[in-house]
Order: sequence, then C-alpha cells, then structure tokens
Amino acid sequence: EVQLVESGGGLVKPGESLRLSCAVSGLTVSNAWMNWVRQAPGKGLEWVGRIKSKASGGTVDYAAPVKGRFIISRDDSENTVHLQMNSLKSDDSGVYYCSTDYLNDGYWGQGTLVTVSS
Amino acid sequence: QSALTQPPSASGSPGQSVTISCTGTSSDVGRYNYVSWYQQHPGKAPKLMIYEVTKRPSGVPDRFSGSKSGITASLTVSGLQAEDEADYYCASYAGSITVFGGGTKLTVL
Repeated sequence: EVQLVESGGGLVKPGESLRLSCAVSGLTVSNAWMNWVRQAPGKGLEWVGRIKSKASGGTVDYAAPVKGRFIISRDDSENTVHLQMNSLKSDDSGVYYCSTDYLNDGYWGQGTLVTVSS
Repeated sequence: QSALTQPPSASGSPGQSVTISCTGTSSDVGRYNYVSWYQQHPGKAPKLMIYEVTKRPSGVPDRFSGSKSGITASLTVSGLQAEDEADYYCASYAGSITVFGGGTKLTVL
C-alpha cells in the first residue's frame, strides 16, 4: 500500500523559512514524479512544483509564484521528498500536499498546514 | 501561466448526468493529452478520478468519464449519486509546469 505522510507545517512570520517533508512508503520516490500542491483556506488547488524521477532526469520545476524562494529535493536514502520554503509570505499560507500519479493511480498525503502571519 | 477555466458550480439530480468543462490554451490542454481530474470532499485530500484525459484509475466507478476537444477538456458524471457531491478540479501538464483549474462545486440536488 502506498502512503504519503507530510510533516513540518506550522506558524511562521513573514520572511521566515520552513521545511516540509513527505515520507513515502510503498513506492520508491526516485522512480516517481513527486509533486507539491497547496490549497489556501477556502480556495482551490495550486500546483507548487515537482521533482521528476531519476529516469526522467530528476529535474525540478516550480510555479511562478514560488520560483526562486522554494526548493524541492529528494532524499533517496530516506525515501522522502522535501520542500524548503524561504522568504515566506502571507499568500503562502495553506495546506500543503505532496502527491504523485504513479503506475496509473494517484496518491496524496493528508496535507500539512502552513500559516504565515505576523 | 493562467489557471484553467472551470465553471464555479454545477448541479444535477440523482441518476442524472452532469458535465464539467475545463478550458485551457494551446500551451496546456490543447497541446498535451495529460489532463487529470480530481475529486475533493470537504476536509479531505484530493482523489484522482481521471488521468491522461480519458483513463480511470482502478477503483473509480465507470460513471466517471473524461474527454477532450481542442483546448477544452470535460468530466462527465453519469448516474449521479449523493456521494458525488464534492469539488472537482482539472489539471493539465504544460511542459515545465502543471496548471490546475479553479474548481467546480458539484451539488447533487
């Protein structure tokens, strides 16, 4: 059974940093395209970025609003994906999900809440 | 990259069919056959319902179907059931990024 478990959310002030983690079991993260998707309170889903599988080059892409501030990385030894979020703004507040569409199925974590407020 | 355009709401009675549209551009929906649809119930994580325009993951009822014409993709839910009431989001691969629609709230009357 595939499981994705996010952690690391919390309350931070504008300008501060936070690191989210997505621990994966049931699949090897280096074999999957892993996404981060966020959802502001009462709003829709917004794609944040992804790290491609090793077979696809392992490259990382970001949405325009977070490019230059967020960094996605992968720890193969821990089978975990990370989202380093720097220079946080109030607009970055919301639930952050990691997800992957792997072997013709979709998997999402339960999400972790990030609140950016002074 | 702008979000894909979805109607904010849709509704139907039990047993009826409803179609939700998702309009993009020639850079996303019109260019790639990588359109997905997600169902999200309140307080829950999204669930993949359709991938690659028309394909259903295992376990998704065949009442859910997807299609695409030009820059518009569609999700059709046939034989509406009470549990289908949820928010639905489309998403499209757009080369280096993925873009989501704004979401459609489906109400089962």
